[in-house]
Amino acid sequence: SQKIEQNSEALNIQEGKTATLTCNYTNYSPAYLQWYRQDPGRGPVFLLLIRENEKEKRKERLKVTFDTTLKQSLFHITASQPADSATYLCALDHGSSNTGKLIFGQGTTLQVKP
Amino acid sequence: DGGITQSPKYLFRKEGQNVTLSCEQNLNHDAMYWYRQDPGQGLRLIYYSQIVNDFQKGDIAEGYSVSREKKESFPLTVTSAQKNPTAFYLCASKGQAFEETQYFGPGTRLLVL
Repeated sequence: SQKIEQNSEALNIQEGKTATLTCNYTNYSPAYLQWYRQDPGRGPVFLLLIRENEKEKRKERLKVTFDTTLKQSLFHITASQPADSATYLCALDHGSSNTGKLIFGQGTTLQVKP
Repeated sequence: DGGITQSPKYLFRKEGQNVTLSCEQNLNHDAMYWYRQDPGQGLRLIYYSQIVNDFQKGDIAEGYSVSREKKESFPLTVTSAQKNPTAFYLCASKGQAFEETQYFGPGTRLLVL
């Protein structure tokens, strides 16, 4: 079955630096991959989606890359701010036809210090 | 405002008791999902429904039940058969397109007395 691995250790960076989070998967190549942000005690919020035939996707200060050879996605936040502090979840499609089911990683907590 | 709501925010369950978590959406989405989140773990799928009056088990359905009598509503019942119910429960909905993202509610935290 598909497994997703995100760095379980918290990532601590200084304000203004670029944060890079990693998502690795082990089995089939997903049709798409999504990144969500989750604040403590709240539901996840969608950030970006990247398809299997796309190498890179950008949205404002966010950038996602997708390497199907390495079975890895990288999530970058440039010019990071303390308000970016949260847990970031990677999610892949379940592989079933149009059920919309997602498999989530355990998330990486980012702490941006002023 | 369009969105997805969950209630209550906190719920306490006594031993042997069934409790029901509410999930309502006004996004006109066909698909709805229930997830469980434990500390340090990702979201795990409990049940999902792609259309009214139809639902499917997810990866951890044992001890849970659902109904989908209306498009807007997808309540989750945590039964007494669920021996470790303490967790954060999240409801989500999704539109029809294959790649559309899921929209999440604010969650319900269930605690056992």
